Amino acid sequence: GESVGLHLPTLSVQEGDNSIINCAYSNSASDYFIWYKQESGKGPQFIIDIRSNMDKRQGQRVTVLLNKTVKHLSLQIAATQPGDSAVYFCAEISARNTPLVFGKGTRLSVIA
Amino acid sequence: ETGVTQTPRHLVMGMTNKKSLKCEQHLGHNAMYWYKQSAKKPLELMFVYSLEERVENNSVPSRFSPECPNSSHLFLHLHTLQPEDSALYLCASSQGHNEKLFFGSGTQLSVL
Repeated sequence: GESVGLHLPTLSVQEGDNSIINCAYSNSASDYFIWYKQESGKGPQFIIDIRSNMDKRQGQRVTVLLNKTVKHLSLQIAATQPGDSAVYFCAEISARNTPLVFGKGTRLSVIA
Repeated sequence: ETGVTQTPRHLVMGMTNKKSLKCEQHLGHNAMYWYKQSAKKPLELMFVYSLEERVENNSVPSRFSPECPNSSHLFLHLHTLQPEDSALYLCASSQGHNEKLFFGSGTQLSVL
């Protein structure tokens, strides 16, 4: 039979533009959130994290925004580069002794 | 490099074979994890070891058998696998149980 792959949301961005990748989380008790980047043939790499007592955190070219009211997390990448092309996952921890829960991921394609 | 090394990078095995995946972390972390990533599903947590004790076993078939001889090494023993077990198997470690994870590059497994 025909195999069905996991259809990821895809975001296509022109090189140099800013990218915004969104993630909705399910548990209002989640208190720690992480963004990962996964390039082809590699494992997920940590990008940035944020705790629930913050609503914004900045890294190098990346910013994570947390809106606890609507349970929404976003990753902003400034001046997107071809090397940013990858699948991006958000992850949440909902309680001290529960494992990280990963979202399905978003594929970012950078158009040169 | 993330400090988490997985071997082999690629593995092809028949359904009657027995093989083992190896993971080693050089980060001084106390927790180690096995995840499965397939084309059809998002990241699935298989096993978690914290301080060398198994703390999570997410209804994984018995044909997958983990072993954690010390806090730096983690194995996944495979026997009588099925073609649907073909996937990328990722190892990760963290300082404490359910903190930020650092992933290896994975073993791409094909079961014929």
